[in-house]
This record gives sequence, structure tokens and C-alpha cells, in this order.
Amino acid sequence: DVKVTQSSRYLVKRTGEKVFLECVQDMDHENMFWYRQDPGLGLRLIYFSYDVKMKEKGDIPEGYSVSREKKERFSLILESASTNQTSMYLCASIRGRSYNYGYTFGSGTRLTVV
Amino acid sequence: EDQVTQSPEALRLQEGESSSLNCSYTVSGLRGLFWYRQDPGKGPEFLFTLYSAGEEKEKERLKATLTKKESFLHITAPKPEDSATYLCAVRAMNRDDKIIFGKGTRLHILP
Repeated sequence: DVKVTQSSRYLVKRTGEKVFLECVQDMDHENMFWYRQDPGLGLRLIYFSYDVKMKEKGDIPEGYSVSREKKERFSLILESASTNQTSMYLCASIRGRSYNYGYTFGSGTRLTVV
Repeated sequence: EDQVTQSPEALRLQEGESSSLNCSYTVSGLRGLFWYRQDPGKGPEFLFTLYSAGEEKEKERLKATLTKKESFLHITAPKPEDSATYLCAVRAMNRDDKIIFGKGTRLHILP
């Protein structure tokens, strides 16, 4: 069974902390994505990556950065966490640009910044 | 501006009561429309991809259809296990891999 695994289901961090959210996929997918999901706002794209060492800004990249050192791993970094970054974070992957089978999503990380 | 709007926001149905969820979109060149199901506390699960007006896809009690302005997710004789949030998303010509998601429809099927 193919999987996208997010390392933490729940995280509580303090304002100003540097936060790392990890995502690993075992499907050899080239493309990986980070979204955040907020009530009333839906899913919004933060960053994505086509390949190792590559990254592209999504619609709301401010306050975030990403790292992709290996094909299977895509990390989201909150440089200095703020309360408005409290959210559900979802990682997704897809093989190439083949959207016939859509994204495979992880189960999400619910981050609370206090 | 590219937009995806889903309606209704929430829908309660009796078991067996068929209905439809709507997804209207405004994009400059559709490259694909997607439906996902999301259960509470979980990531979305892919259901369908539609590419052109007139296309239909089916899976169990669900059927997705597409026109030039909107898509419908028809649910026939739903069961309580169909309760979930259904998300519509669009891939647009000028945004390439920046998929736009709608805010979803929360569906609750009463036994």
C-alpha cells in the first residue's frame, strides 16, 4: 500500500521557535507538495518541489521554507513560528504531471503555535 | 481571477436519499478537475479526475460529471459511511501545478 507519511500527527510549539515538519513518500514520486488547511479557507498551497534540491513557491509561501535533499523526503520549515501559522498541514505527492490518479496525501500534522 | 466554489457548504441527507454536490469554477483553461473525499482528522483521498465537458466517472454510489462551468458529484442512495467532506479542485492552464481547491461540502448521512 503506497503511502505518504507525516512524522507527527500533533505538534505544539512556542512563538518564535523554528519548526520542522517532515514528509516521506515510498512511491518514488517526483513531485511533492505542502498545503495548509484552515476552516473557511480550504487547502492552500505553500510550496512544492519537482525534484531533489528544487522548490517552487505556492500561493502562500511567506514565513515558510522547504528542503528536499532526497527524492522521498520533503520538509516544511517554519523559520520563526507565529500564532497565525496554527493550522493543519498536509503533504502530498504525485508521479510526474500525471494527474489521472490525483495526489496521494498524508494524514496531516495539526500544529498549534502558542 | 481563478476560482473554485462549492455548494452547499453542508448537507444532511437521510440514508437512501440521493442528491448532488456542486463545484463551479472560473479558470483560464481547464487542465483537469478533481474530486476528493476527506474524513475527519485525515488527509483527502482521491476520487476522480475529469478533463473535458461531457465526461463522467463513476465509483460505487458516486458519479462525477463535468460541464464547461461546473461539476456535479451525484450521490445515489447514500449510506452513513458516505459521510465526509467532499473537496473539488481544479488545475488551470496559467497555474500549471498550482492546484486550486474549493472549501468543500460537509456531507452527513443520517441512518
